[in-house]
Amino acid sequence: QKEVEQDPGPLSVPEGAIVSLNCTYSNSAFQYFMWYRQYSRKGPELLMYTYSSGNKEDGRFTAQVDKSSKYISLFIRDSQPSDSATYLCACDSGGSNYKLTFGKGTLLTVNP
Amino acid sequence: ETGVTQTPRHLVMGMTNKKSLKCEQHLGHNAMYWYKQSAKKPLELMFVYNFKEQTENNSVPSRFSPECPNSSHLFLHLHTLQPEDSALYLCASSQILGDTQYFGPGTRLTVL
Repeated sequence: QKEVEQDPGPLSVPEGAIVSLNCTYSNSAFQYFMWYRQYSRKGPELLMYTYSSGNKEDGRFTAQVDKSSKYISLFIRDSQPSDSATYLCACDSGGSNYKLTFGKGTLLTVNP
Repeated sequence: ETGVTQTPRHLVMGMTNKKSLKCEQHLGHNAMYWYKQSAKKPLELMFVYNFKEQTENNSVPSRFSPECPNSSHLFLHLHTLQPEDSALYLCASSQILGDTQYFGPGTRLTVL
């Protein structure tokens, strides 16, 4: 079983739709959860960062972590064509183990 | 220049060539990382440097040789590569190990 599972998509939605992106993980030691956005021909950029369970909101983006079910989500409200990118989830157990474990990424296209 | 820069952005090389990838960070960070991003696979951590000292070699073949002359610069020397080494090679940096990582745009490598 892979440590972080993420459906690669592709996912295509109309402009204004609510987008839900999800990952599951198997390592119960993971404490930190991140979402990166990667535009075509660019490196990943950190979008959201969450510690432990709970929700975090930043503008149109909401990150949600449910440690009991080992499930992490990213919601995008009022999606825009500029949100078209690959979204990568990443998990980290913190402490002396500083390695990020990434999902494969989900390719999202928002159509105008 | 700001953030993390990588050169060249694209590289095509034969299996017998020797080439080097360069990464420079302008963020005053102390940790630097090399990742490999292949199609339909998660980002794979290759090497980690902390204050110029290598702290991680993630079972990377010896045909990849990293060098970190100072905290701002990171190189990846390539020799006798295989076609399966074709991928996007990403450099990242963080203030300290385990802190938020900032990625460069990557070098798209094609091995013929």
